[in-house]
Amino acid sequence: DAMVIQNPRYQVTQFGKPVTLSCSQTLNHNVMYWYQQKSSQAPKLLFHYYDKDFNNEADTPDNFQSRRPNTSFCFLDIRSPGLGDAAMYLCATSRDAGLVSGYTFGSGTRLTVV
Amino acid sequence: EDKVVQSPLSLVVHEGDTVTLNCSYEVTNFRSLLWYKQEKKAPTFLFMLTSSGIEKKSGRLSSILDKKELFSILNITATQTGDSAVYLCAVEKYSGGGADGLTFGKGTHLIIQP
Repeated sequence: DAMVIQNPRYQVTQFGKPVTLSCSQTLNHNVMYWYQQKSSQAPKLLFHYYDKDFNNEADTPDNFQSRRPNTSFCFLDIRSPGLGDAAMYLCATSRDAGLVSGYTFGSGTRLTVV
Repeated sequence: EDKVVQSPLSLVVHEGDTVTLNCSYEVTNFRSLLWYKQEKKAPTFLFMLTSSGIEKKSGRLSSILDKKELFSILNITATQTGDSAVYLCAVEKYSGGGADGLTFGKGTHLIIQP
């Protein structure tokens, strides 16, 4: 089945130690998104790739970076995780072809910073 | 600044009751409004609404959009304990360059008591 896969499901990292979360998709969607969802809060968009074009939200900290080496994969890099970065990180995809499109979410990666 | 406001933030009802969840929004270049159900994992898609006054239904769930008054409601009839979840409302806007991702409300935490 076509889907969005996030690995790992749970990630524990040390304060200040770089960490990478991954997302892959078999939907051939051209847009990929990363959201951060802290406990009991709404998901918040960090950035998205429209094809190879990177679009950063204005309030996304510099500590967060992203890479999209090809259509299928997108990575979220946190250069120096702080305790406040503990959250669920959701990857989503969509296809924009001038039509209203839906979004498909992955199962998320829950990040713990110790 | 784009805003999506959901009410109530939490709701406790008994099995069999009917509930109405509200979502109001203020965004530029509105494209669509989406409802998601979230149960301790990634949000699962319920509805996408783009046109005013057209009710969408799926089993016991239904939703409608009012683009003049800038709000949407999600109705759940004959509630069951499996309906307990956080219901998220999100708005998609169009920037001309493609889908810009979703702006979420804080969600309504719905608890169905047996």
